[in-house]
Amino acid sequence: GENVEQHPSTLSVQEGDSAVIKCTYSDSASNYFPWYKQELGKRPQLIIDIRSNVGEKKDQRIAVTLNKTAKHFSLHITETQPEDSAVYFCAARATGRRALTFGSGTRLQVQP
Amino acid sequence: KAGVTQTPRYLIKTRGQQVTLSCSPISGHRSVSWYQQTPGQGLQFLFEYFSETQRNKGNFPGRFSGRQFSNSRSEMNVSTLELGDSALYLCASSLEGLEQYFGPGTRLTVT
Repeated sequence: GENVEQHPSTLSVQEGDSAVIKCTYSDSASNYFPWYKQELGKRPQLIIDIRSNVGEKKDQRIAVTLNKTAKHFSLHITETQPEDSAVYFCAARATGRRALTFGSGTRLQVQP
Repeated sequence: KAGVTQTPRYLIKTRGQQVTLSCSPISGHRSVSWYQQTPGQGLQFLFEYFSETQRNKGNFPGRFSGRQFSNSRSEMNVSTLELGDSALYLCASSLEGLEQYFGPGTRLTVT
């Protein structure tokens, strides 16, 4: 089955800096890659996603890039703010399957 | 649109008991997936229902079961509870299984 690895497990940045979180997946049939943000005690929230026919997608300060050949995708957050502090999860879904396989999460802390 | 709702939000059960959790998806969404979230194992897929049919199942024992009703509401049942079943149980709804939106979860504690 699919395996998703996520790095780093923790990331601390200064406010205004950029943050990058990386994920690799094992199933070459995966074609959908969402990112979720989970604040303490809250539900995971979908913040951005990308499909395998697209190499990059941007939404204001966040962007996701996908390298199908290398089977990895990354989340980029620019101009980080304290409210970006949360746990971020990447996930992958293969064609024909309905289940999302999640990475282990990255705890991002933005220092004011 | 109202978001995904889950009831109850908190539960405390004893080993050996059974529990039923409920999930109401976003109006119009026919797919409901269930996940277990624990500090040690992260987010793990339990099963997915679409139009009252289970389409996918994760690697959990048969003590974990679910169903979906004609109004797309879904229930998850865990029988013969074990201490290791303590977790946050999340359901997520989607139109066709891609963009999944999570509910607030049910925090289950087994003592």
